[in-house]
Amino acid sequence: SYELTQPPSVSVSPGQTARITCSGDALPDHYGYWYQKMPGQAPVLLIYKDSERPSGIPERFSGSSSGTTVTLTISGVKAEDEADYYCQSADSSSSYWVFGGGTKLTVL
Amino acid sequence: QVQLQQWGAGLLRPSETLSLTCAVYGGSFSGYPWNWIRQPPGKGLEWIGEIDHSGATNYHPSLKSRATISVDASKNQFSLKLTSVTAADTAVYYCARAPKTCSRGACHSNGFDFWGQGTLVTVSS
Repeated sequence: SYELTQPPSVSVSPGQTARITCSGDALPDHYGYWYQKMPGQAPVLLIYKDSERPSGIPERFSGSSSGTTVTLTISGVKAEDEADYYCQSADSSSSYWVFGGGTKLTVL
Repeated sequence: QVQLQQWGAGLLRPSETLSLTCAVYGGSFSGYPWNWIRQPPGKGLEWIGEIDHSGATNYHPSLKSRATISVDASKNQFSLKLTSVTAADTAVYYCARAPKTCSRGACHSNGFDFWGQGTLVTVSS
């Protein structure tokens, strides 16, 4: 079955820029989506269609796409950004949705 | 403001059927795909399936044989049934809305924008 690959963990200091990547063979043909997941809470949509930001999401969250990789960038990281981040996309035949394994962001 | 409220049995024995329902408040029900997603303890998110406004369903290949999603539009509710559960089905289950936008004959998802609060379902003998 189709897989999206994320690094298990990323660490940054407050105020720095965090970049979380997500790789998948079908990403050149399908949009990527990003979610923030806090313990005990439902996921929150951060980015849709590679780089669009829903209303209410701070501008320091941005997304980009290049080839088989989509990237979530968090500029000026805050302590409150410490969470798990998941990418999502469709398999090559657009039959089903897939989530990446998740990346734990640690703010040092 | 759209709100999704979900409920269902939280403790099941192996081989029983999981049954969850999600009610939608504060927004339009028709015209949206409605989804179920789960997260096993200590693991990542897993998409289970969706149902659209016409009642058409789509499931993850690994769950297709056991999952059924249905809708009751008169109550603005949709439901998930998962048969023959095992310990591997222990997870927090979420319902979620996934709006689409269409342009020039192509439709694309805008992501899962509203989620239910989650229901922990434990399968144990």
